[in-house]
Amino acid sequence: NAGVTQTPKFRVLKTGQSMTLLCAQDMNHEYMYWYRQDPGMGLRLIHYSVGEGTTAKGEVPDGYNVSRLKKQNFLLGLESAAPSQTSVYFCASSYWGSSYNSPLHFGNGTRLTVT
Amino acid sequence: AQSVSQHNHHVILSEAASLELGCNYSYGGTVNLFWYVQYPGQHLQLLLKYFSGDPLVKGIKGFEAEFIKSKFSFNLRKPSVQWSDTAEYFCAVKLGSGNTGKLIFGQGTTLQVKP
Repeated sequence: NAGVTQTPKFRVLKTGQSMTLLCAQDMNHEYMYWYRQDPGMGLRLIHYSVGEGTTAKGEVPDGYNVSRLKKQNFLLGLESAAPSQTSVYFCASSYWGSSYNSPLHFGNGTRLTVT
Repeated sequence: AQSVSQHNHHVILSEAASLELGCNYSYGGTVNLFWYVQYPGQHLQLLLKYFSGDPLVKGIKGFEAEFIKSKFSFNLRKPSVQWSDTAEYFCAVKLGSGNTGKLIFGQGTTLQVKP
């Protein structure tokens, strides 16, 4: 019963490097989200997906790209990392339907530092 | 732009004191409302949620919240806090009904309960 799994847990990048964060969920949820959490700013939505093959921009999408090739996976990419992207990144998934709604299920987070 | 505001950024209470954390949102359509809690070093967990029906909802650990549509508010309350309630609390709003998917968080309120 894994729920939402994020990899890696920690990462240090140099400015200009690229990386991909992986989020996997085993609950057959349609909706998946990437948030970043910064002190005093709460969680801000980067991108989200309402189903396999779909993505949409959130509140702070610049500098990030995402892909949802498989229903269970949602990838967050940083093509050219910047110090401003130092943050804790959370993935979440949920199901919104006409007869049943689930709240977000969160992963344990990825702490990214860009030097 | 749609937003969620939490008025109290840092609250300090003594054990057994009553708690009320404010949450307001700016969106004129249908909303689903949530309160999440994040204990130190952990990911977010759901406290309670409102989808429809009785605007007074009860969650885990003695928390409750009231949805006041005319005030665009969803304040969190607890009659008597405990030291173990020390955590960060986030209000979240899902914009729109059904499967629109976008869910926005407030900035968070840090609650410190003194024993």
